[in-house]
Amino acid sequence: GENVEQHPSTLSVQEGDSAVIKCTYSDSASNYFPWYKQELGKGPQLIIDIRSNVGEKKDQRIAVTLNKTAKHFSLHITETQPEDSAVYFCPPSHEDTGFQKLVFGTGTRLLVSP
Amino acid sequence: SAVISQKPSRDICQRGTSLTIQCQVDSQVTMMFWYRQQPGQSLTLIATANQGSEATYESGFVIDKFPISRPNLTFSTLTVSNMSPEDSSIYLCSVEVGDYEQYFGPGTRLTVT
Repeated sequence: GENVEQHPSTLSVQEGDSAVIKCTYSDSASNYFPWYKQELGKGPQLIIDIRSNVGEKKDQRIAVTLNKTAKHFSLHITETQPEDSAVYFCPPSHEDTGFQKLVFGTGTRLLVSP
Repeated sequence: SAVISQKPSRDICQRGTSLTIQCQVDSQVTMMFWYRQQPGQSLTLIATANQGSEATYESGFVIDKFPISRPNLTFSTLTVSNMSPEDSSIYLCSVEVGDYEQYFGPGTRLTVT
């Protein structure tokens, strides 16, 4: 089965700094790579995603890059703000009997200090 | 995207009892999913609920413990049966919209005493 690892497990930055979280996976069949942000007491929120035929995608302050050969993808957040503080998950997915099955890793806790 | 609501948002239950969690989505969707997230941990898929068919359970989860209903394209329920303290978790439903995107509800925080 899929094995997902995130690094680092905890990341502390100052407001305005950049933050990078890396996700490695094992299943070469994975073809969809989303990032979720989960704030305390809330459900995960889809913030950006990338398909296997694209190497990079950007949406304002956040971007995702994908290296399928090396089986890793990364979340880049620029000009971090305290509101970016949350746990971030990167569940790569592959088709499993008609739906995309997300496989969650342990998450990365991002803390942005003012 | 999709707007998903869950009821109840939280509950405290006694061991041996059952709790039914409701999930409502604001648009018709084919695939709905139920996850469990223990405090400070990752999400684990319990089952997939496709309207008009029996739910499909992941390894380690059984229908007798987590019966699921999916009566229409906007609603599903998950029952946690014969609860024990080990069932204390956050239970989340999600839906698949468009190509691959999954959107999550706010979760139901369950404490079993």
